[in-house]
Amino acid sequence: DIQMTQSPSSLSASVGDRVTLTCRASQSVSYYLNWYQQRPGKAPKLLISDTSRLQSGVPSRFGGSGSGTDFTLTISSLQPEDFATYFCQQSSSFPSTFGQGTKVEVK
Amino acid sequence: EVQLLESGGALVQPGGSLRLSCGASGFTFSTYVMSWVRQAPGKGLEWVSTIGGSGFNTYYADSVKGRFTISRDNSENTVYLQMNSLRAEDTAVYYCATRVSVEGSFDMWGQGTMVTVSS
Repeated sequence: DIQMTQSPSSLSASVGDRVTLTCRASQSVSYYLNWYQQRPGKAPKLLISDTSRLQSGVPSRFGGSGSGTDFTLTISSLQPEDFATYFCQQSSSFPSTFGQGTKVEVK
Repeated sequence: EVQLLESGGALVQPGGSLRLSCGASGFTFSTYVMSWVRQAPGKGLEWVSTIGGSGFNTYYADSVKGRFTISRDNSENTVYLQMNSLRAEDTAVYYCATRVSVEGSFDMWGQGTMVTVSS
């Protein structure tokens, strides 16, 4: 199975900050990398598919980049509703696997 | 509006069985691949099982293969997860989710149902 590693595990930031989250795959997943946001007590929500395809209704402050084994999710200007946990998931190879998550907390 | 509503979660003893259901509305159910994804308390996400739109093709994580069975009833817009021989490590919130393809992103999610395996 492809192992997905996210860093950092958590970070503290303030409203308005630019935040960058990283996801690394144990082998190439091409561009088949997806990002999810999970607020406390809620279901995950798909933010970005295939590295950089923003889902309908997702604010443009979210952006994804990368290819192969290294990917990033960037939030250009953190908003109060963005404090949450973010997961990456590879959909290149069976079985689909997720990273362990990055929790974005209030500084 | 797309809705996925899971039900059937409960407290069950080790070795017991449980059937989860996920009712769907707001989209053409039979054209979507459906999956179950679980999340143990305080942990990350783990894909459990996937079923194709027709119901003929099914896929399982190694951790549940031989114990769990996914099925669907397209006339009722419902997907099921039959869980047998439950173990403590199966304790988790179970989410159903749609996928455009068997190996793709998990596009729409239900609110989840809690399964606790404990004596």
